[in-house]
Amino acid sequence: DVQVVESGGGLVQVGGSLRLSCAASDFSFSNYAMSWVRQAPGKGLEWVSTISGSGTYRYYADSVKGRFTLSRDNSKNTLFLQMHSLRAEDTAIYYCAKFSPKSYEEGGWMDVWGKGTTVTVSS
Amino acid sequence: EIVMTQSPASLSVSPGERATLSCRASQSVSTDLAWYQQKPGQAPRLLISGASTRATGIPDRFSGGGSGTEFTLTISSLQSEDFAVYYCQQYNNWPPLTFGGGTKVEIK
Repeated sequence: DVQVVESGGGLVQVGGSLRLSCAASDFSFSNYAMSWVRQAPGKGLEWVSTISGSGTYRYYADSVKGRFTLSRDNSKNTLFLQMHSLRAEDTAIYYCAKFSPKSYEEGGWMDVWGKGTTVTVSS
Repeated sequence: EIVMTQSPASLSVSPGERATLSCRASQSVSTDLAWYQQKPGQAPRLLISGASTRATGIPDRFSGGGSGTEFTLTISSLQSEDFAVYYCQQYNNWPPLTFGGGTKVEIK
């Protein structure tokens, strides 16, 4: 089955850093853009970032721009989200998802989701 | 940024009844709209893309419609497994991708 599995979440202090990973399996990883979407406790979904299959193009929500960096290692079928200068409002479940654009470099939807990894930023 | 507004925030429906959920965009998104279902403690699951195209394995009791700024998700006959939160998401004008606030479908 096509799947993605997140890891790397945990408890970190305000101002700290954390790196999330997402391992993909059973699809041609390098051919697909990937995204992170987060969900604060009791809240709705918030798109965080998307990276193209080659890693050339990266897009970020304004709320994380300059603090988060999305990258991928296509040789290891793995996606990474490096998070710096973490704030209390970054506390959320972070979901990795396979991104399906309506056409090349256009917007799209998330068609395969992982179970998520929890990030808690504490003061 | 396109703002997505879902209504109602919650909906009480009896099993076997029909449920209609609404999603409104602050400007036209054509048919570049997806719907997701999220059950408690689970990840979201894609239901529909392109406003009306069901994802693989989604039962035909789920149907999507609309274009421009007004969209609906209809569940024709609610089953016990359909009680969940439903989100719409636009992808016409990005970044950012934006989600609605969700509609919770509860058992009446």
